Amino acid sequence: TQLLEQSPQFLSIQEGENLTVYCNSSSVFSSLQWYRQEPGEGPVLLVTVVTGGEVKKLKRLTFQFGDARKDSSLHITAAQPGDTGLYLCAGARSASKIIFGSGTRLSIRP
Amino acid sequence: SAVISQKPSRDICQRGTSLTIQCQVDSQVTMMFWYRQQPGQSLTLIATANQGSEATYESGFVIDKFPISRPNLTFSTLTVSNMSPEDSSIYLCSVEIGQLSSGANVLTFGAGSRLTVL
Repeated sequence: TQLLEQSPQFLSIQEGENLTVYCNSSSVFSSLQWYRQEPGEGPVLLVTVVTGGEVKKLKRLTFQFGDARKDSSLHITAAQPGDTGLYLCAGARSASKIIFGSGTRLSIRP
Repeated sequence: SAVISQKPSRDICQRGTSLTIQCQVDSQVTMMFWYRQQPGQSLTLIATANQGSEATYESGFVIDKFPISRPNLTFSTLTVSNMSPEDSSIYLCSVEIGQLSSGANVLTFGAGSRLTVL
């Protein structure tokens, strides 16, 4: 069983559309991180959220941490082909223990 | 942030053989982590490698299958022993860094080693 469930698992949309990816758990995390991984590369950190209810914006990407610090969402506005990749949420429960979500593979069609 | 170099970047291996993956970091770090990413899947932590002590393995991973070395604060190796096709995966080395802006520990990854076992 996956401690952190992401949905959807796969998403293919047209350039210019909006999308939201969800990361859900029954556990509380001290921080929630989002990474993006492209083929042939390791995951790269996009953002870290640490406070319940926190919202962070990174250009067209908006990240939110749930009030109870158990879930998070990633919203992309006006998706572009460069947004294509594997999006991974990751939760930190204790010092040096980061657990990855099930992943969302995003494909943006030109 | 740390820069991590892994090698080999990819390899094709025969069943029953063993392969050692090397991970070099450009700065001294306390802990290094080894993850496995099976085809189309997310990342699963194999073990945590501390310098000067035995690696700590996660459930489902054992030292005999995945021996790890950590001879100093900038280098680690992961060996995949007696390989079978089920071991075909990307193996990723990572280190933890403290993010000043959030106060959280986050991960930096190497580019990964893609192993295909025939």
